[in-house]
Amino acid sequence: GAVVSQHPSRVICKSGTSVKIECRSLDFQATTMFWYRQFPKQSLMLMATSNEGSKATYEQGVEKDKFLINHASLTLSTLTVTSAHPEDSSFYICSARGWGATSLEQYFGPGTRLTVT
Amino acid sequence: DQQVKQNSPSLSVQEGRISILNCDYTNSMFDYFLWYKKYPAEGPTFLISISSIKDKNEDGRFTVFLNKSAKHLSLHIVPSQPGDSAVYFCAAQLRGSNYKLTFGKGTLLTVNP
Repeated sequence: GAVVSQHPSRVICKSGTSVKIECRSLDFQATTMFWYRQFPKQSLMLMATSNEGSKATYEQGVEKDKFLINHASLTLSTLTVTSAHPEDSSFYICSARGWGATSLEQYFGPGTRLTVT
Repeated sequence: DQQVKQNSPSLSVQEGRISILNCDYTNSMFDYFLWYKKYPAEGPTFLISISSIKDKNEDGRFTVFLNKSAKHLSLHIVPSQPGDSAVYFCAAQLRGSNYKLTFGKGTLLTVNP
């Protein structure tokens, strides 16, 4: 299957600072990328859907001004957690799908563990 | 309101036996169901899927069964192997939703040698 990478894999930041997480499709062009958050022992919760070149669509309850998503190219989407607080500490995972993909072809990155102190 | 439910947080099975992981859903508009396997600190990897127009799909040791009337699906792994030990997530896709997936909470499968 196709490869999706995320960077960084782990990040620790102080409360009030901003953190940027990158999601890259390494061997295919990702027309759509999805950002998920997973709390311990919970399911992956979709935060937003990002289509290349357009604004992201956020799920209900997700603050768009706090979680800034940019999908500027067909291989890169970024999630910026602004003014992070301890309650934002979580595991953030992106997934990507490409042109003409079927439902099967949504590939997940390895995730980023964010800890806000 | 959880639309995809995996009511068993964990399951322990002996190597060589069958593992059965269950998933229930509430939204009859879901048209595609997928199972993902996830190791700690890694992203999910796709395992097997089933369209809502089918009731069974098989791929090697993995078989997914769908009972639409009961809004229930199950993943059978036979024979189970220690390497199958992981968290298994059931996910559902809503028709016309731009391929968004709704996940259950996962079931931790432990296959004992």
